[in-house]
Amino acid sequence: RKEVEQDPGPFNVPEGATVAFNCTYSNSASQSFFWYRQDCRKEPKLLMSVYSSGNEDGRFTAQLNRASQYISLLIRDSKLSDSATYLCVVNIVTYNQGGKLIFGQGTELSVKP
Amino acid sequence: NAGVTQTPKFQVLKTGQSMTLQCAQDMNHNSMYWYRQDPGMGLRLIYYSASEGTTDKGEVPNGYNVSRLNKREFSLRLESAAPSQTSVYFCASGYLNSPLHFGNGTRLTVT
Repeated sequence: RKEVEQDPGPFNVPEGATVAFNCTYSNSASQSFFWYRQDCRKEPKLLMSVYSSGNEDGRFTAQLNRASQYISLLIRDSKLSDSATYLCVVNIVTYNQGGKLIFGQGTELSVKP
Repeated sequence: NAGVTQTPKFQVLKTGQSMTLQCAQDMNHNSMYWYRQDPGMGLRLIYYSASEGTTDKGEVPNGYNVSRLNKREFSLRLESAAPSQTSVYFCASGYLNSPLHFGNGTRLTVT
């Protein structure tokens, strides 16, 4: 089983739709969580960190459920420019190896006019 | 403001050739990482270095070696390239529990 798993996608939605991405992780040593966005095989760029209490940045809302080892990203009022691949990232920290960031396989989003 | 710099941007190798991918960061980050990305897959961790002087295996270390030369530089070496190592390679750096900063990637083809 992969350490970080995401919805396989792709998601094809019309402009203005609300879309939700889900991610699960298997390692309870996971300490920090992020969503990244990647365009056309360019380098990934941080979209937002995910905090235990949940957090919102404009149209984007991230949630974390540590008990269920589950992370989500909600995009409201989707725009054409939101079309990209969304990557869930988990930081697994061990006392003798520091932290290693493991990526999910990514979920592709295509927003259509 | 350079951030994370990777070289080269593109490389074509023949099977069995060796090469080193270079990565340098100017943000004083403790941790550095090498990932590979293949079609339909996310980024898979090859090796990482939590601090200067330490390196650890990631998810897919076979066929690769790394050197954390100093705090700034973390290189990835392919001793005997294989077609299965055709991929896009990303270097990244960051602090513990903080987001990563990525280089622009190296597109490697092994024929």
